[in-house]
Amino acid sequence: AQKVTQAQTEISVVEKEDVTLDCVYETRDTTYYLFWYKQPPSGELVFLIRRNSFDEQNEISGRYSWNFQKSTSSFNFTITASQVVDSAVYFCALLNFGNEKLTFGTGTRLTIIP
Amino acid sequence: DTGVSQDPRHKITKRGQNVTFRCDPISEHNRLYWYRQTLGQGPEFLTYFQNEAQLEKSRLLSDRFSAERPKGSFSTLEIQRTEQGDSAMYLCASSLASSGRAIEQFFGPGTRLTVL
Repeated sequence: AQKVTQAQTEISVVEKEDVTLDCVYETRDTTYYLFWYKQPPSGELVFLIRRNSFDEQNEISGRYSWNFQKSTSSFNFTITASQVVDSAVYFCALLNFGNEKLTFGTGTRLTIIP
Repeated sequence: DTGVSQDPRHKITKRGQNVTFRCDPISEHNRLYWYRQTLGQGPEFLTYFQNEAQLEKSRLLSDRFSAERPKGSFSTLEIQRTEQGDSAMYLCASSLASSGRAIEQFFGPGTRLTVL
C-alpha cells in the first residue's frame, strides 16, 4: 500500500518570505515517482515536477526547489521569495512503478500575504 | 496548444437524476484517467483507459458509475441515480504512454458536481 502525508494543512507567509512544504511518503516498491502539483482557485491541477526514486539530486527551477531524501522518505518543496501568485493548494503525489494511479496527499493550502 | 478540457465545468442536479461528464484529453495522449476530489482532500483515482480499453477501476467506482472511451479519444463519465455523497469535483487527466510507461498526468479544470 502507498500513502502520502502532508502534515501542514495551511500555511500563511508574508510576501517575499521563503516557505517549505513538507511531504512524507510510504511505499513498499523500490521504483516509484514523486510529484508536486499546484491547484489554484480555478481548480485545475498544474504539474510542477516529477522525481524518480533513482534520482536523489535536488532540483531548482527559478524560485522553486525540491529536496528528495530517500532516507527519510521525504520530498519537500521550497518556494523562495514567495509571491502572491504562489497562493494555492499544493499536492504531493506518488506513483508506483507498474501502477497507473496517482496517490495524493491531502494538500497544503498556501496563502501569501501581500 | 490545447490542454485537457472538461465539460461542463459545473453541474447542479437533484438527487436521483443521471448526469454525464465529458473529457477531451490532449490530442496525442493515449491514456485517460478519472479522479474524484472532495472538499479538503486530494484527488482519488477512479479509473483509467489505454486507448479505448478500460484497464482499471477503483472500488470507489460503484455500480452507479460508468465510464467510456469509445474511440480512444474523448471519454464520458456517467453517474446514475445521483446521491448527495456524489457531490465532488471530477477531474480528468491524460498522459502519453511509451514503452508501456506513462509518467506525467496532465489534468483538466474539472467538473464540479453538486447534488441537491
